[in-house]
Amino acid sequence: SQQGEEDPQALSIQEGENATMNCSYKTSINNLQWYRQNSGRGLVHLILIRSNEREKHSGRLRVTLDTSKKSSSLLITASRAADTASYFCATVNYNQGGKLIFGQGTELSVKP
Amino acid sequence: ETGVTQSPTHLIKTRGQQVTLRCSSQSGHNTVSWYQQALGQGPQFIFQYYREEENGRGNFPPRFSGLQFPNYSSELNVNALELDDSALYLCASSVGQGGVSTEAFFGQGTRLTVV
Repeated sequence: SQQGEEDPQALSIQEGENATMNCSYKTSINNLQWYRQNSGRGLVHLILIRSNEREKHSGRLRVTLDTSKKSSSLLITASRAADTASYFCATVNYNQGGKLIFGQGTELSVKP
Repeated sequence: ETGVTQSPTHLIKTRGQQVTLRCSSQSGHNTVSWYQQALGQGPQFIFQYYREEENGRGNFPPRFSGLQFPNYSSELNVNALELDDSALYLCASSVGQGGVSTEAFFGQGTRLTVV
C-alpha cells in the first residue's frame, strides 16, 4: 500500500518558473527521499532528508520536512524542459525493514 | 546511469506461465530490493534480500519469489502469471541490512506484459 499522497498529481509550468511538489505520509519515518522517473523507466535518487533535518539543498533542489505535519515538499527552482518527469517521495522506517514506501507521484511538465 | 542492470528490458508472457527477471546490483552493494510499478502508480515493495536471505516482504502472494546470489545479483520469479501482474518491475541495490539509510540505486526496469 502507498504511504501517502502527493500533491498535485500533475503540474504544468513554463521554463524558468519554480515547481513545488508536496508529499504527505502516515507513519513515523527515519528518512524521506525524493526520486525522479523519466518516461516509466528507472528511478533516480535526487535527495535524502533525515527525520531530524528540516531543510536540505542540492543544486536547484530544495527539500523541506515537517515531521509534526508528516509532510515534505520539493522545490525545483528555475525549471528546465529537461526537468519534465515524474517525481516520487519515498519514506523509510527502519522498524519496518527499511523498505522504500512510495507515494503516487507528481507528473511535472515543463514547457519551453 | 546507475550500476544496476536488469534483464530483459521487455517481456510478453501468457497468463499461467512463469517468468524470471534478473538484476545485477551495483558493485559493493549487498542489499537488493524488488518493486512492482503499475501504470500511473508509485512503486510497491515486493521483497528485499540481504546477503542471500530474504529480509522483508511486502503484500505479495507466495507465487512471487526471489533469490540473491553470492555476487549479490538477484532474480525475481513469478509463477502462474495473471493479467494484473503486467507492470514495470524495478530492482534497487543499496548498502546495509535493515534499511535504506542512504540512497537506493535503481535499474531501468523490466516491462512485463501478460496477455
